[in-house]
Amino acid sequence: DGGITQSPKYLFRKEGQNVTLSCEQNLNHDAMYWYRQDPGQGLRLIYYSQIVNDFQKGDIAEGYSVSREKKESFPLTVTSAQKNPTAFYLCASSGQVRGEAFFGQGTRLTVV
Amino acid sequence: DQQVKQNSPSLSVQEGRISILNCDYTNSMFDYFLWYKKYPAEGPTFLISISSIKDKNEDGRFTVFLNKSAKHLSLHIVPSQPGDSAVYFCAASAAGGTSYGKLTFGQGTILTVHP
Repeated sequence: DGGITQSPKYLFRKEGQNVTLSCEQNLNHDAMYWYRQDPGQGLRLIYYSQIVNDFQKGDIAEGYSVSREKKESFPLTVTSAQKNPTAFYLCASSGQVRGEAFFGQGTRLTVV
Repeated sequence: DQQVKQNSPSLSVQEGRISILNCDYTNSMFDYFLWYKKYPAEGPTFLISISSIKDKNEDGRFTVFLNKSAKHLSLHIVPSQPGDSAVYFCAASAAGGTSYGKLTFGQGTILTVHP
């Protein structure tokens, strides 16, 4: 089945630690995205990548880093510099034709 | 600066009736609009979209209306079913480039359909 796989589904992090969230897609999409959702709020764009080895900051990139070494993979690292990392993180991808973006099932990150 | 706004945090309707979810936007560069449905702890799933060159798009029970002059769009669900109960997000995409998944989202509206 084609789709986007995020792992893990739940992640707990101690204060001061970096954690990496995985996102893999087999839709052959060029573009990939990371969004963050907080309670009662819409999704906000963290980073996006249009092609391999290139990525751009979104609206809330501070405290996050990404890499795009392969077309299929777009991992997100939540660094200790992110002051309020507890949130629901969503990865998405989109193709060459204007239309929907496809989302993964999300990773819920909790700082303990 | 909220460029896409869904001013109703929640909406409750009876099964079989029409659900109308509203969305307003401020950025004139937006030319493509989408509605997503989301269940708790899951990713959003695409429902329907509309290009700014149209004023209506229909797909089964779902219809999206776009009023460009008012910078307003709405999603109509007829008839509403209990399985439609979820959070609905309005999203917008700006012209230019190929990052079609670079979306600006509203805050979401929780729809509850009562049997």
